[in-house]
Amino acid sequence: AQSVTQLDSQVPVFEEAPVELRCNYSSSVSVYLFWYVQYPNQGLQLLLKYLSGSTLVKSINGFEAEFNKSQTSFHLRKPSVHISDTAEYFCAVTSGGSNYKLTFGKGTLLTVNP
Amino acid sequence: NAGVTQTPKFRILKIGQSMTLQCTQDMNHNYMYWYRQDPGMGLKLIYYSVGAGITDKGEVPNGYNVSRSTTEDFPLRLELAAPSQTSVYFCASSTIGGANTEAFFGQGTRLTVV
Repeated sequence: AQSVTQLDSQVPVFEEAPVELRCNYSSSVSVYLFWYVQYPNQGLQLLLKYLSGSTLVKSINGFEAEFNKSQTSFHLRKPSVHISDTAEYFCAVTSGGSNYKLTFGKGTLLTVNP
Repeated sequence: NAGVTQTPKFRILKIGQSMTLQCTQDMNHNYMYWYRQDPGMGLKLIYYSVGAGITDKGEVPNGYNVSRSTTEDFPLRLELAAPSQTSVYFCASSTIGGANTEAFFGQGTRLTVV
């Protein structure tokens, strides 16, 4: 069975500092990986995804994540965060082995302080 | 383009009452999902469907039922509401395969059982 572990439930940082949100997954077959962001009282929005090809994927607002098959990780990074990045971030995995069930981690609350 | 539409947005139920949470998507996606979100617990999969007429249980199906008579609609039924079902419910739909692999979420239904 596939699963996702987000290693930090809360990450407080100061504005303009770098940040890394960690995600590890388990699956016995090839996977698709996603990061979603949820702002207060809203639904989830896709931030970026890894399907195949280049292991480094980027979003339009400066986030990036690297797929590392040997370490089964998909950590999310941003070199300089803004107040507006404050939100909850969810890592998710799906695969053919799970009949394409989409499994989420428990989320990481990123709080950017001035 | 409406995407995924959930109704109602808010509801208060008494213990033992029943209700149906509605979910409709207009993207012709085969895959649809129902999740519940509780604080600090991430999103837990209740039921999912890989196409019209096909549904399967997720992690936490007890107390819920679903049907998928059309590609567009995937209602979630609560038969005998219990306080443990107080949560925020999200419906999602996705396409799998190719560069467009991605799940889209509704805005959520906040349910309180008293």
